[in-house]
Amino acid sequence: NAGVTQTPKFQVLKTGQSMTLQCAQDMNHEYMSWYRQDPGMGLRLIHYSVGAGITDQGEVPNGYNVSRSTTEDFPLRLLSAAPSQTSVYFCASSHRDRGDEQYFGPGTRLTVT
Amino acid sequence: AQSVTQPDIHITVSEGASLELRCNYSYGATPYLFWYVQSPGQGLQLLLKYFSGDTLVQGIKGFEAEFKRSQSSFNLRKPSVHWSDAAEYFCAVVRGNKLVFGAGTILRVKS
Repeated sequence: NAGVTQTPKFQVLKTGQSMTLQCAQDMNHEYMSWYRQDPGMGLRLIHYSVGAGITDQGEVPNGYNVSRSTTEDFPLRLLSAAPSQTSVYFCASSHRDRGDEQYFGPGTRLTVT
Repeated sequence: AQSVTQPDIHITVSEGASLELRCNYSYGATPYLFWYVQSPGQGLQLLLKYFSGDTLVQGIKGFEAEFKRSQSSFNLRKPSVHWSDAAEYFCAVVRGNKLVFGAGTILRVKS
């Protein structure tokens, strides 16, 4: 039981490049979410999903896309990277919804130059 | 709209001293409230949560929190801090279909 896994751990992008941050969970959780963490701002919700095929926007969705084709996977796509997207990204999952305990992945540190 | 406020960015306490981290919320008649802890370089871990019932909630690692509706607060406490408690602590509240976090409080423990 690996819990929530994220790849890569570190990534450097140039402005304008695109990439996908991977997130997978093996706990059969319905609810998954992506956060970005910036100093002094806590965690801000980017996108979330309440089940396979269902996604919705969080507080800071601009510049990011998600899809949820399976229960296990919830990739986050950066369409055209900008320096403002330099951050640490966390994926989380929970059994049913946002009121359950969230299990967090180890994070991806992204730098956009 | 700000849902969760953690007024203290940093707090330093001596090992063995008591601890109180403040959290104020501004959403929901009966909010769902959480405290999470993040050790350096790690993801977040749930300490405790409040949905309803007894306003004093016990969590893991000896932490507790008290929900006070009249003050819109959900402060985290520990009677005696250990050096391993040094971490960043986040208060969070459910807002609709989302979980919204405060900005965090960094706890430093001095020996």
